[in-house]
Amino acid sequence: GENVEQHPSTLSVQEGDSAVIKCTYSDSASNYFPWYKQELGKRPQLIIDIRSNVGEKKDQRIAVTLNKTAKHFSLHITETQPEDSAVYFCAASRVKLIFGTGTRLQVFP
Amino acid sequence: DAGVIQSPRHEVTEMGQEVTLRCKPISGHDYLFWYRQTMMRGLELLIYFNNNVPIDDSGMPEDRFSAKMPNASFSTLKIQPSEPRDSAVYFCASSWGGNQPQHFGDGTRLSIL
Repeated sequence: GENVEQHPSTLSVQEGDSAVIKCTYSDSASNYFPWYKQELGKRPQLIIDIRSNVGEKKDQRIAVTLNKTAKHFSLHITETQPEDSAVYFCAASRVKLIFGTGTRLQVFP
Repeated sequence: DAGVIQSPRHEVTEMGQEVTLRCKPISGHDYLFWYRQTMMRGLELLIYFNNNVPIDDSGMPEDRFSAKMPNASFSTLKIQPSEPRDSAVYFCASSWGGNQPQHFGDGTRLSIL
């Protein structure tokens, strides 16, 4: 069945460093790839998304890249801040979202 | 604009009892999704509706779970009878169109004793 693998499961960085989270999807028909941030005890919130007709998208310190051939997509956060600490989920969708297992990002001051 | 509204925020009940979770999607959204989140299984899609019609319920774990959407502004997820393994956070989300950004509610934290 459809599957999304996400790595790493945990990531610790120093404030100001960059963080990269990678995902691989199995369904080649997937055409929509959102990223969600979830703080402890809160709801998932969409932070950025990309569609299959675009290779890269950027929004301030956050960027997402998509390699359709390899079925890979990645989240890049630059100049990390302590408030970036959260669990990040990738997802792939043809009709319904299939979520990755999440990455717990910790940014140390 | 009000976001997706879920109730109750917390529910604690004993095994065997009926549990009903409620969701009001964002006005104008035509897709509604129910998810379950646990440490072991992550975020799982249970069922989704389009224009109040259930489209895919393949994620519903068993017959004890049922979901309805009687109109465009209200949906329920019911568990009967409830079991301790049903303990989880249940999220409702809605979107305008398929394959569009989904907006999540604050969730219902369910504990079955």
